[in-house]
Amino acid sequence: AQSVTQPDIHITVSEGASLELRCNYSYGATPYLFWYVQSPGQGLQLLLKYFSGDTLVQGIKGFEAEFKRSQSSFNLRKPSVHWSDAAEYFCAVAAGNNRKLIWGLGTSLAVNP
Amino acid sequence: GAVVSQHPSRVICKSGTSVKIECRSLDFQATTMFWYRQFPKQSLMLMATSNEGSKATYEQGVEKDKFLINHASLTLSTLTVTSAHPEDSSFYICSARAGAEAFFGQGTRLTVV
Repeated sequence: AQSVTQPDIHITVSEGASLELRCNYSYGATPYLFWYVQSPGQGLQLLLKYFSGDTLVQGIKGFEAEFKRSQSSFNLRKPSVHWSDAAEYFCAVAAGNNRKLIWGLGTSLAVNP
Repeated sequence: GAVVSQHPSRVICKSGTSVKIECRSLDFQATTMFWYRQFPKQSLMLMATSNEGSKATYEQGVEKDKFLINHASLTLSTLTVTSAHPEDSSFYICSARAGAEAFFGQGTRLTVV
């Protein structure tokens, strides 16, 4: 069965530090992978996506993610975190004909000044 | 990117009444829309997949008579919470699929008193 695992429920980093949020997936075919960000009480905003091609994808707000098929991973990174990056981050894989999204449980990011 | 408008953003209703939430794709046609429910500090739970012109497909455990979904046009899907009770209070989010990508509304905070 398809699944997405985000091992870290909560992460705290200092402003200016680098960030890596982990995501592992289980899916039989070539996955469509996504990272979304959600601020409190808000909907979801797409940070970046991977469909095919270059395994290092660039997104908005300075985020990037690398697809590693051998590790079934799609980790999100940012070299220098800003206080405004504090939010909930969700990794997802699109599955099936309807491209139904399979969601990770999310990682809550806190940023210390 | 494509824009999805969800309305209302916040609603308070009395127990026993019904509430309708609208989800519109503003600049694209969406043959498939998804309705999610999100509990505090948790990931998104898919409630149903809505296909234009046909009956919605509900996920296991979701009461179809409780959560009525209508997808009458390529740009509009509605979720009606019938005979709402306090346990239906939650954050409801819609998304519309454009190609392999899903775009999200801003969510509706439903409070049943």
